[in-house]
Amino acid sequence: GENVEQHPSTLSVQEGDSAVIKCTYSDSASNYFPWYKQELGKRPQLIIDIRSNVGEKKDQRIAVTLNKTAKHFSLHITETQPEDSAVYFCAARSGNEKLTFGTGTRLTIIP
Amino acid sequence: DAEITQSPRHKITETGRQVTLACHQTWNHNNMFWYRQDLGHGLRLIHYSYGVHDTNKGEVSDGYSVSRSNTEDLPLTLESAASSQTSVYFCASSVFGTGMNTGELFFGEGSRLTVL
Repeated sequence: GENVEQHPSTLSVQEGDSAVIKCTYSDSASNYFPWYKQELGKRPQLIIDIRSNVGEKKDQRIAVTLNKTAKHFSLHITETQPEDSAVYFCAARSGNEKLTFGTGTRLTIIP
Repeated sequence: DAEITQSPRHKITETGRQVTLACHQTWNHNNMFWYRQDLGHGLRLIHYSYGVHDTNKGEVSDGYSVSRSNTEDLPLTLESAASSQTSVYFCASSVFGTGMNTGELFFGEGSRLTVL
């Protein structure tokens, strides 16, 4: 089955700086790659996703890039703000509907 | 508004007892999933269902069972609770789709289970 590795497990950045979280996947058939944000005590919520026919997608301060050849994808957050502090999960899905998640990155924005 | 709800939100039980966590969604989604969340392991899939009377095992299914008698509900049962099953459990649902058209996964608020 699919295996998703996520790095780093913790990340601290100064407010206003950029943050990058990286994930690799094992199943070359995977074609959908979402990112979820989970605030403390809350449910995970989708913040951005990318499909395998696209190399990059942006939504305001958030962007995701996908390298199918290398089987890795990354989340980029620019101009970080205190409300960006959370745990972020990457995931990958092949055609059978199941999402396999990475182990999460705890992002802390330092004021 | 359509939503996905879990109950109970918090549960303390003893080793060996049977426990059932409820999940109810009003989106009419075909796909429903149960994940457990543990520090250092992220979200791991327990069981999932693609529709009524369909159930499938995920990567950590031992000690758990589910049944799908209607579209809205996917209860998760721990037949004989063990301390290793202390965790936060999330139910989720999504619209059925294939490959490129697969829809977003929506999560419930989570159920925190403690097995003493």
